Amino acid sequence: GQQLNQSPQSMFIQEGEDVSMNCTSSSIFNTWLWYKQDPGEGPVLLIALYKAGELTSNGRLTAQFGITRKDSFLNISASIPSDVGIYFCAGQLAARQLTFGSGTQLTVLP
Amino acid sequence: NAGVTQTPKFQVLKTGQSMTLQCAQDMNHNSMYWYRQDPGMGLRLIYYSASEGTTDKGEVPNGYNVSRLNKREFSLRLESAAPSQTSVYFCASSEGRGPGEKLFFGSGTQLSVL
Repeated sequence: GQQLNQSPQSMFIQEGEDVSMNCTSSSIFNTWLWYKQDPGEGPVLLIALYKAGELTSNGRLTAQFGITRKDSFLNISASIPSDVGIYFCAGQLAARQLTFGSGTQLTVLP
Repeated sequence: NAGVTQTPKFQVLKTGQSMTLQCAQDMNHNSMYWYRQDPGMGLRLIYYSASEGTTDKGEVPNGYNVSRLNKREFSLRLESAAPSQTSVYFCASSEGRGPGEKLFFGSGTQLSVL
């Protein structure tokens, strides 16, 4: 099946710093999504991207759908303690089930 | 609105025991899903239901059965639990009658099989 490579696996950053993470695939998707999982909770959808090249923001979060349709990026600006959690990318092709990345564990140090 | 509710939150089983994980959603969604989450492996789909009365296997269905009791409820059953089924299980739902991208997740069930 399709596989998503998400990096980095984990990040330790200082409060106030910007964060970047990405997801790459060996095959194309026509939808890219970013979910966040708070400790002890289920994932929550942050951003959905539907077009190659699309750049979408949600507050301090910005995500991009790569031109090749094989990658996506998520940036978080001016990190705060509540940004802690696991960030998952997910891709969808046509009407198939989502394929999830393995997650990026983000820790924000005071 | 409760969204997606899963019970129990924690469960410990011995190898060979059976149990059912319950899930209910109050958003009038058509599709429901069961995922498992293992360290370093992301979320993997176990079973999926596009509507009441229909279920389909996902990526890792072996050792599990499901039942879509009605539009609201979708249960996951382990008939004979194995240590390899130790995981965190998530139920999710989406609006349409087909694999959706905007999934709403429950808060998970942490299952340990000894």
